[in-house]
Amino acid sequence: DAGVTQSPTHLIKTRGQQVTLRCSPKSGHDTVSWYQQALGQGPQFIFQYYEEEERQRGNFPDRFSGHQFPNYSSELNVNALLLGDSALYLCASSLVEEQFFGPGTRLTVL
Amino acid sequence: GIQVEQSPPDLILQEGANSTLRCNFSDSVNNLQWFHQNPWGQLINLFYIPSGTKQNGRLSATTVATERYSLLYISSSQTTDSGVYFCAVDSRGRRALTFGSGTRLQVQP
Repeated sequence: DAGVTQSPTHLIKTRGQQVTLRCSPKSGHDTVSWYQQALGQGPQFIFQYYEEEERQRGNFPDRFSGHQFPNYSSELNVNALLLGDSALYLCASSLVEEQFFGPGTRLTVL
Repeated sequence: GIQVEQSPPDLILQEGANSTLRCNFSDSVNNLQWFHQNPWGQLINLFYIPSGTKQNGRLSATTVATERYSLLYISSSQTTDSGVYFCAVDSRGRRALTFGSGTRLQVQP
């Protein structure tokens, strides 16, 4: 049984660019959540998708957007990248309460 | 929103020693999870434990929901236990976890 997968593993962008990160949930899971983890901190909740809709959102600007596909996979888009967007982006999937995380995408903004 | 505090922030142990990590939270929870983050960033599920006690090998955890704290016990520590341990909670049943700032554990041979 494959766990949560994310792509790409690493990404380097410049300020002002746009980026798309991808996540495939654990088999049978219908809910995908995205988190941002800055260096030395705990992950922070960005938003969550269920039934192809954004169900709830953390304290992140509209530059952060997402999408969920019928197969439950999800994308995270970040527009107008800032230096402060450099972080590890984690995707988590769940069916009930317990969440399972992917390996993350490390984004560097220069 | 709910506040999560973990202690100690840093811990250095000799191989074979035991340790206790603590997580305090400010509201009632319907989900509490403990994770181990390895050096590559992967969050590994240790326990899903909104209440009660669980054990898995050398690790065990206890959550006392009425007193709003959880403890993670590591016995006979090994160098592979090194990394950051996070406690994360959800207080509204929305599956949006709030993480503590973590305990950085270093186990020396």
